[in-house]
Amino acid sequence: KQEVTQIPAALSVPEGENLVLNCSFTDSAIYNLQWFRQDPGKGLTSLLLIQSSQREQTSGRLNASLDKSSGRSTLYIAASQPGDSATYLCAVMGLLRGNEKLTFGTGTRLTIIP
Amino acid sequence: DTGVSQNPRHKITKRGQNVTFRCDPISEHNRLYWYRQTLGQGPEFLTYFQNEAQLEKSRLLSDRFSAERPKGSFSTLEIQRTEQGDSAMYLCASSLVTGFGYTFGSGTRLTVV
Repeated sequence: KQEVTQIPAALSVPEGENLVLNCSFTDSAIYNLQWFRQDPGKGLTSLLLIQSSQREQTSGRLNASLDKSSGRSTLYIAASQPGDSATYLCAVMGLLRGNEKLTFGTGTRLTIIP
Repeated sequence: DTGVSQNPRHKITKRGQNVTFRCDPISEHNRLYWYRQTLGQGPEFLTYFQNEAQLEKSRLLSDRFSAERPKGSFSTLEIQRTEQGDSAMYLCASSLVTGFGYTFGSGTRLTVV
């Protein structure tokens, strides 16, 4: 059974700093990995999708990497802003038939201090 | 195309009542997923459809839960005889095919009192 872990559970950093969020998964048989953002009481907004054959994806100030063999992904946020404050969730999609669904971590709650 | 739409946004119900939620996916997406999220946790998979066929159901989906996707368009999730433990955010997502990213709706927050 796939398990996804996100460390740390919460993180506070001053505005302007660069930061890294970590995600690890136990089963490397994944189709892809997706990072989401969730604001309090809201749904999920997709940030980046990395296919299993890819090593990284970039969007603006965000960069996500994937090391499938070691079961790890990182989300790098450059020049953090107060508007980046949210919970960040990573999720992996299983590769095998019957496991074609996303398994989520419990998230990292990020607070950017102005 | 306005993305994935879920209704209602909030639902407060008394224990023992039945509730039904609706999800309208992105029109060209043939996969539709339901997830449940409790406070401080990541979303947990409930069930998913490819077109009108329900392909998988989680063990979390007890006999009181039923989901449908008639004609492969919108989907409904019904909870019968609600319990306080059913209180959660119910999230719907759709995708084009396996391997493409999910698009989530804003969710329906259920409170059972």
